[in-house]
Amino acid sequence: GENVGLHLPTLSVQEGDNSIINCAYSNSASDYFIWYKQESGKGPQFIIDIRSNMDKRQGQRVTVLLNKTVKHLSLQIAATQPGDSAVYFCAMAPGSSNTGKLIFGQGTTLQVKP
Amino acid sequence: DADVTQTPRNRITKTGKRIMLECSQTKGHDRMYWYRQDPGLGLQLIYYSFDVKDINKGEISDGYSVSRQAQAKFSLSLESAIPNQTALYFCATRGRDQETQYFGPGTRLLVL
Repeated sequence: GENVGLHLPTLSVQEGDNSIINCAYSNSASDYFIWYKQESGKGPQFIIDIRSNMDKRQGQRVTVLLNKTVKHLSLQIAATQPGDSAVYFCAMAPGSSNTGKLIFGQGTTLQVKP
Repeated sequence: DADVTQTPRNRITKTGKRIMLECSQTKGHDRMYWYRQDPGLGLQLIYYSFDVKDINKGEISDGYSVSRQAQAKFSLSLESAIPNQTALYFCATRGRDQETQYFGPGTRLLVL
């Protein structure tokens, strides 16, 4: 079956440091990956995405890296701020299906210490 | 202004009751989704719809039903609620030529 897993349920970082949140997946046919941020009491909010024909994509303070060889996805947050505290989910579209179904990981809670 | 809204935001009900959760969107998207989130877990897909009156089962559709009578609205029903349906429920939308799904704020449901 298809699985998406995160390496750590909780990550604690000092304000100003860089954060790296990791995710592993099992389906080598996956062609689209997304990172979502979920703050307490809110729905998941899109952060950044990447297609399987790329290995890196950058946004504002965030970078997503995709290693298809080891089926690993990571989200890097530069200069982490208190407002970055949230649960982060990776999700993937399993294969070439156009159903739009996403498979979600379990989430990593990012705690930013002042 | 929120593009995807859900009502109610919180609901407490009793075992055996029928309840309906509503989702509305102003994004003009044709694709809509209902997910369930349990504590410490990711989101699981319940149902999805590509257009009005189009209904497709997700991973965990048992015990749930949906209705898509208008493009902007997608409702989720629990015909006879049971305690293990206590969870957070999220609606999401997606445009036809997009991959990204946009989520509503969620409905917190407690079944006693």
